[in-house]
Amino acid sequence: KAGVTQTPRYLIKTRGQQVTLSCSPISGHRSVSWYQQTPGQGLQFLFEYFSETQRNKGNFPGRFSGRQFSNSRSEMNVSTLELGDSALYLCASSLGEVIDEQFFGPGTRLTVL
Amino acid sequence: AQSVTQLGSHVSVSEGALVLLRCNYSSSVPPYLFWYVQYPNQGLQLLLKYTSAATLVKGINGFEAEFKKSETSFHLTKPSAHMSDAAEYFCAVSRLNTGNQFYFGTGTSLTVIP
Repeated sequence: KAGVTQTPRYLIKTRGQQVTLSCSPISGHRSVSWYQQTPGQGLQFLFEYFSETQRNKGNFPGRFSGRQFSNSRSEMNVSTLELGDSALYLCASSLGEVIDEQFFGPGTRLTVL
Repeated sequence: AQSVTQLGSHVSVSEGALVLLRCNYSSSVPPYLFWYVQYPNQGLQLLLKYTSAATLVKGINGFEAEFKKSETSFHLTKPSAHMSDAAEYFCAVSRLNTGNQFYFGTGTSLTVIP
């Protein structure tokens, strides 16, 4: 069974631009969560989608948004990029009905210049 | 509120020595607890999980952890360190009514000295 895939793996953007990251979960998984990982803040929860609905949301500004499609694939969008948005963005999928093991993708490394 | 504290951002052990990585949690209700490992330039991989069954949990690669409610701890151990264990380790907590919202500790970087 294929693992969680994230595209692209690396991105370089400039301040003020917007970016869209994509995540394809493991087949059959209905929950997709997004995390931001930085050296200073560690792993921080952004949001979780389950069956196309946002089920949980972390404490991030509205510039960070996401969505989930009917095939469970998810996208995350960051608008008006700031230098502090430079991070590794990790996507994780799980079956989703109850707390379950989350399977992580390799991440997208975003650099904002 | 719930959170996780990992004591020691860096731990060094000799090859063959005991590995002990500490994790303490705070949660107002019984938690679900996880240990993940992250190798450079990779995502996180689950080592083991506690979901209110046996308090001693065995995971992959010889790791295990014991849930101690009285100490609010979930420390990760391995009897004999191997060079391939060098990585970043994260403890995480969640609970039933928050879905899959995991709260991660700040991580512990494990160095194994040959």
